[in-house]
Amino acid sequence: GEDVEQSLFLSVREGDSSVINCTYTDSSSTYLYWYKQEPGAGLQLLTYIFSNMDMKQDQRLTVLLNKKDKHLSLRIADTQTGDSAIYFCAESTPGTYKYIFGTGTRLKVLA
Amino acid sequence: DTGVSQNPRHKITKRGQNVTFRCDPISEHNRLYWYRQTLGQGPEFLTYFQNEAQLEKSRLLSDRFSAERPKGSFSTLEIQRTEQGDSAMYLCASSPRTGPNTGELFFGEGSRLTVL
Repeated sequence: GEDVEQSLFLSVREGDSSVINCTYTDSSSTYLYWYKQEPGAGLQLLTYIFSNMDMKQDQRLTVLLNKKDKHLSLRIADTQTGDSAIYFCAESTPGTYKYIFGTGTRLKVLA
Repeated sequence: DTGVSQNPRHKITKRGQNVTFRCDPISEHNRLYWYRQTLGQGPEFLTYFQNEAQLEKSRLLSDRFSAERPKGSFSTLEIQRTEQGDSAMYLCASSPRTGPNTGELFFGEGSRLTVL
């Protein structure tokens, strides 16, 4: 069946880089996403990548996709305290309703 | 209107009572989704509307759950005879059908249900 897995916690010091990892199982997924959820708030899209891409960079965010291993990562450069949140990866195939979310990684940034 | 609006934000009810949540999507979005999120978990799909048509329901959605989107705009999610296991955050999201189709979902802030 389909499943998206993430490690539960990550703690980094302010100014360091954070790397959040995700593995997925649905090889037909066309889009892969990273969403951020701050306390008491809904999920907000951070970035996405097409399945035919290997890498995407967007300011401090770098997404790496290894299609062979079905592994997705999000690197946050120069992590700030405001980056403390839960990060969810998700997969979908456009034109369908189907979005599968991971369990989320709670990122804690230490000052 | 700049985002998806959900209300109430928090509902506390006794077991066996009925509750209803409302979602107002972004006005030009014709796709609307309901998800449920429990502590320490990611959102789980409940149901999906395209305009007023409910096109898919998850097996998570028991007979006590019903969702409607009568005019293709706002949606309601009703839970009858609530159980303690229904305690969760109920998230609504919308997305446009046309335009740049990145598949992005726009989420509301959620309605938290606590069943005592």
